Order: sequence, then C-alpha cells, then structure tokens
Amino acid sequence: GAGVSQSPRYKVTKRGQDVALRCDPISGHVSLYWYRQALGQGPEFLTYFNYEAQQDKSGLPNDRFSAERPEGSISTLTIQRTEQRDSAMYRCASSPGRGLVSPLHFGNGTRLTVT
Amino acid sequence: GDSVTQMEGPVTLSEEAFLTINCTYTATGYPSLFWYVQYPGEGLQLLLKATKADDKGSNKGFEATYRKETTSFHLEKGSVQVSDSAVYFCALRGYTGNQFYFGTGTSLTVIP
Repeated sequence: GAGVSQSPRYKVTKRGQDVALRCDPISGHVSLYWYRQALGQGPEFLTYFNYEAQQDKSGLPNDRFSAERPEGSISTLTIQRTEQRDSAMYRCASSPGRGLVSPLHFGNGTRLTVT
Repeated sequence: GDSVTQMEGPVTLSEEAFLTINCTYTATGYPSLFWYVQYPGEGLQLLLKATKADDKGSNKGFEATYRKETTSFHLEKGSVQVSDSAVYFCALRGYTGNQFYFGTGTSLTVIP
C-alpha cells in the first residue's frame, strides 16, 4: 500500500517568506509526527498528533512554527518568516496507534533551503 | 528524560566483515527499542524492533537484543555487504508510548 507522502520534495525560499509543508500519512494511521533532521544528526522531534488533536508541540522551536491536522489525516507544517537557520530536512512519520509496539513509518522528507 | 546514545561513526568495513554498532539508552519504565536505516537519498526505514527485555529483533541478517541490565540495544550483523552501506539510527519509544527519541546516527560504508 501507499506509504507516507510528503510534498514538496524540495523547497527553496527566500528569507522572510512563509512556507507550508504537507504530509499525507498512511491511511488509517492514528498518530502523525513531525521531525526535523539536520545534516549528520538524528531526527529531532517537533510535534505530534493523535487524530486531529495536537498532543505535544514542545519540540517546535518558536512561535514561527505551527502545525495542524484538521481532519485527522493530512497535516501541514507551516513556518512563518523563514530564517536561514530553518534550513533542514523536515520529516513526517505516522504510526498506527498509541500502542507501545507501533513503530514510526517515515516519508521521504521535504528538504527546505532558506536563502 | 529519555534518551539514546549511539556510537559515533563513520564506520568503514570490508565486505563480509562483522558489524557492531553500539546503542545505549536512558528511560523510565519499559520502552520499546528500534533500529532504523537510511539509505542514500531515501527516508528512514524500520530495520528491526524489540519491545521487552531479552527480546531479539532481527531482519535482513541484522540482529539486536534488548538488554535491560546494561540498557543496551547493539546492532550486529555477521557478514556485511556493500548494499548495507547506509546510516543507522537507534531509537526508543517511551513508556507512555507518545514520544520517540533517536540517536545521532552511525554512517556505515562497506567496501568490496
């Protein structure tokens, strides 16, 4: 079946512009996570949802970052007034539920470059 | 808080060599443990998992055993292939089931 789909695959934007990154999880997956991964580092947690409810946003770096999942399926991560330090790979992952054994299934990510 | 510490790379091995990538964790309760692999240009893929103490996860010739006494989940493979060249991430799912924590990744290059 279809995996986690992220779009766009690459995004280049100028400093100060807003960007929206989209994630389409595996159908039926309850939980959706956003991570940021810098080169040579592991994924860094940003936020996660169960259904449409944002359960934890403690990893969002500042108030320029926000995320939503209004219908409990597709999610959008929005970065306002982008800065060069926001350049990174942004990864979305979904999981079937809250069971301890459920792994994360990752998309291929969106490479964001802020110039 | 919960965390994962992974041996630093890069690691370079000859084909058919034995591989060990060390991973230790800090967690309250009984977390689940995972190894993910990232091939060049691709996303992270689940390689194997273990959900309780003494469990052994295995896949594609890789193995890792959940050792609660040493809080470790080391990845091993008896004979690596060139196609195993990738970055390997150790990860932990916290006892509450909500949060995943990742190590910094270990880059493996296997040369013919």
